[in-house]
Amino acid sequence: GEDVEQSLFLSVREGDSSVINCTYTDSSSTYLYWYKQEPGAGLQLLTYIFSNMDMKQDQRLTVLLNKKDKHLSLRIADTQTGDSAIYFCAEKRNDMRFGAGTRLTVKP
Amino acid sequence: IAGITQAPTSQILAAGRRMTLRCTQDMRHNAMYWYRQDLGLGLRLIHYSNTAGTTGKGEVPDGYSVSRANTDDFPLTLASAVPSQTSVYFCASSGAPGTEAFFGQGTRLTVV
Repeated sequence: GEDVEQSLFLSVREGDSSVINCTYTDSSSTYLYWYKQEPGAGLQLLTYIFSNMDMKQDQRLTVLLNKKDKHLSLRIADTQTGDSAIYFCAEKRNDMRFGAGTRLTVKP
Repeated sequence: IAGITQAPTSQILAAGRRMTLRCTQDMRHNAMYWYRQDLGLGLRLIHYSNTAGTTGKGEVPDGYSVSRANTDDFPLTLASAVPSQTSVYFCASSGAPGTEAFFGQGTRLTVV
């Protein structure tokens, strides 16, 4: 979508950390989400962050939110080959808008 | 049924034909969405509904219509299909804000 922007590709080596970045435009967004899509499947929620939070950690996942810059990031620690997928950033306003998705490739 | 179901799974459609993609959820979610997914463009919102009886336009509504007569169903209709509507269509639903949006498995539509 035009309002949420992500880089299209990211390649990392197994065991490294991955950082996927996203920018959004609507400061009134209340929730921001990260979804994962594996080949041939629908989207599954990975994590979300409420707009009054700066950081959220959930096992290997860390979400950072910079509301001033409207920047959201997802860090995956100790990236595994099973993490290879497309990752979508999304913002919740009156509706729900997604970025174009970042294709993460994890090399052994 | 558990979750959200789309039908058909795939369809090849002649240009100019009318087609309705079906979406049903049994989670009593208020909000439902239709997206199309195209390579390099990610998910683009077509239409949405925040509650039964109401609908809203998304980013790319032209050529599509929706209805929300009840909580469970949110059909998407292409009145006269064109080749540019070839895409994978995803339906989604969500409950309270901050809760997960559940996605269907998608409908692959090819307009020839």
